[in-house]
Amino acid sequence: DAGVIQSPRHEVTEMGQEVTLRCKPISGHDYLFWYRQTMMRGLELLIYFNNNVPIDDSGMPEDRFSAKMPNASFSTLKIQPSEPRDSAVYFCASTMLQTGAFEYNEQFFGPGTRLTVL
Amino acid sequence: RKEVEQDPGPFNVPEGATVAFNCTYSNSASQSFFWYRQDCRKEPKLLMSVYSSGNEDGRFTAQLNRASQYISLLIRDSKLSDSATYLCVVNGGGSYIPTFGRGTSLIVHP
Repeated sequence: DAGVIQSPRHEVTEMGQEVTLRCKPISGHDYLFWYRQTMMRGLELLIYFNNNVPIDDSGMPEDRFSAKMPNASFSTLKIQPSEPRDSAVYFCASTMLQTGAFEYNEQFFGPGTRLTVL
Repeated sequence: RKEVEQDPGPFNVPEGATVAFNCTYSNSASQSFFWYRQDCRKEPKLLMSVYSSGNEDGRFTAQLNRASQYISLLIRDSKLSDSATYLCVVNGGGSYIPTFGRGTSLIVHP
């Protein structure tokens, strides 16, 4: 398996523009997570899905952020309109429920999208 | 108090040294614990899980102290390639949301 795939790897955009980040989880994984990482705040969980259904989006900073998972192999995180403070590295991760609960299971991260909003 | 706290470092050690990191967590009901490693400009990757009885993987030893609510990572005979940020992760305790520490930076020099 190629692992978790994210695109684009780098995105530079101007304030006010729409940004769409994409993620393809590992085949067979039924949980997908979106994280944001900054020097100031570290790694923050934004939202996670189980079997394509959003379970907890309490980490989404505000209404400018939205995430979808139309099928088991694809998810998007959209920021509209973007602001300079959204500049960060955005990671997608996936995992598979094994015996017990998924909180015992390894999360596999994609390479991240480095977003810069000017 | 933050849910998961780590000393950010950096820990600057010579090759061959032994170095230890601690991580404290606030939720006493937490159920699972991990150490992840993150290289510069890369994604986090699982280093090892932390079991109640403690566990060892080569030069790496992880310990859990539930009474004091901390986990530790010991690295023996440090290598240059061990230079990275080590993230403490705590799961469970009534929430499925994994909580990451801010990470501890390790720099191993010749």
